[in-house]
Amino acid sequence: DAKTTQPTSMDCAEGRAANLPCNHSTISGNEYVYWYRQIHSQGPQYIIHGLKNNETNEMASLIITEDRKSSTLILPHATLRDTAVYYCIVMGSGGSNYKLTFGKGTLLTVNP
Amino acid sequence: EAQVTQNPRYLITVTGKKLTVTCSQNMNHEYMSWYRQDPGLGLRQIYYSMNVEVTDKGDVPEGYKVSRKEKRNFPLILESPSPNQTSLYFCASSKLGYNEQFFGPGTRLTVL
Repeated sequence: DAKTTQPTSMDCAEGRAANLPCNHSTISGNEYVYWYRQIHSQGPQYIIHGLKNNETNEMASLIITEDRKSSTLILPHATLRDTAVYYCIVMGSGGSNYKLTFGKGTLLTVNP
Repeated sequence: EAQVTQNPRYLITVTGKKLTVTCSQNMNHEYMSWYRQDPGLGLRQIYYSMNVEVTDKGDVPEGYKVSRKEKRNFPLILESPSPNQTSLYFCASSKLGYNEQFFGPGTRLTVL
């Protein structure tokens, strides 16, 4: 069963904000929302994660709705190098295996 | 620079010829993992290790072996490669208790 739902693809103009949505309506109370991205055939790259508060780092911002059933990853000023597949993942912290299970993700294309 | 390195990056081999793909991380991470990525199948975990001398099977361990004799290294061994092991392989590492995983650049393996 898919734990997250993301649009298959999105376009964004260079220099504009890219807002990538993710639905995770079955998230449980101790599960975090993680975002990774993968530029074509490169190793996946961790972007950001959060539990219930909004988070910001040097790469992006993460907005999680109050009911935690959805979230949005924001790249404030997208560049051509941000073209990648973005994966939203829901998982608990720690545990016995930190296996990452990527769904199909969203292909973000940043256009000049 | 904090990183995960893999070697070789590209390898073409023949059925049955033993090979080893090396993985090394310089972040003193306890957790390391191997994934393979195939079109339409996403990222699938092969083996993982929670610490030195502690390894366990992931979702697709058949045909692979691993070892964890040192904290920084986690080689993937294919004793008798077959064409269905043609894939893109990624090594990843993280600190225990954290799900932010660092990935290597990938090894593209072709078995003829």
